[in-house]
Amino acid sequence: EPEVTQTPSHQVTQMGQEVILRCVPISNHLYFYWYRQILGQKVEFLVSFYNNEISEKSEIFDDQFSVERPDGSNFTLKIRSTKLEDSAMYFCASNPQVGGGTQYFGPGTRLLVL
Amino acid sequence: QKEVEQDPGPLSVPEGAIVSLNCTYSNSAFQYFMWYRQYSRKGPELLMYTYSSGNKEDGRFTAQVDKSSKYISLFIRDSQPSDSATYLCATRGGYNTDKLIFGTGTRLQVFP
Repeated sequence: EPEVTQTPSHQVTQMGQEVILRCVPISNHLYFYWYRQILGQKVEFLVSFYNNEISEKSEIFDDQFSVERPDGSNFTLKIRSTKLEDSAMYFCASNPQVGGGTQYFGPGTRLLVL
Repeated sequence: QKEVEQDPGPLSVPEGAIVSLNCTYSNSAFQYFMWYRQYSRKGPELLMYTYSSGNKEDGRFTAQVDKSSKYISLFIRDSQPSDSATYLCATRGGYNTDKLIFGTGTRLQVFP
């Protein structure tokens, strides 16, 4: 069964450093998302992406964040200058169509900012 | 008022029990409802997806939506220790958005 994959599974970085989290969505899916989950808290929406542009972003997704689909398979989330409060689990999700709720999540990248 | 509310539990039941998990939501514009299962330190796994009021069944799982009271439920029949996980309810945040709004999750433990 096709699935969303994410790399790395864990990332430790120093405050102020840039990190890139990578995702390979399910191959025939067209809509891509990033969510995050701070330990013990809800899963929160960050951004949605379709047709090579951001469809929607949350208040969390400020200028420190960017997303890109550099090729036909990868979807990346970049955090330019990490803060302590960016420590969280970051999930990528993909959806074969807009307008539904069938978002399939990857296993996540656990980011720890020291 | 929180958009989606869910009792965090934990809920502990014996193997074979029927489990009832519940959420309430605040906005009548919410139309699509999902249940995800999340094992510890893993990604949410889509279990059920419903749109209309009423019941939807898939194996041992039944999702129920009552739009008049803004209440959604997930029933698990013949619960197994492998069902031990956190169950997240979620809704799509309205007609013009794809973002999912999650509840806090209910931690379920099924003991043998």
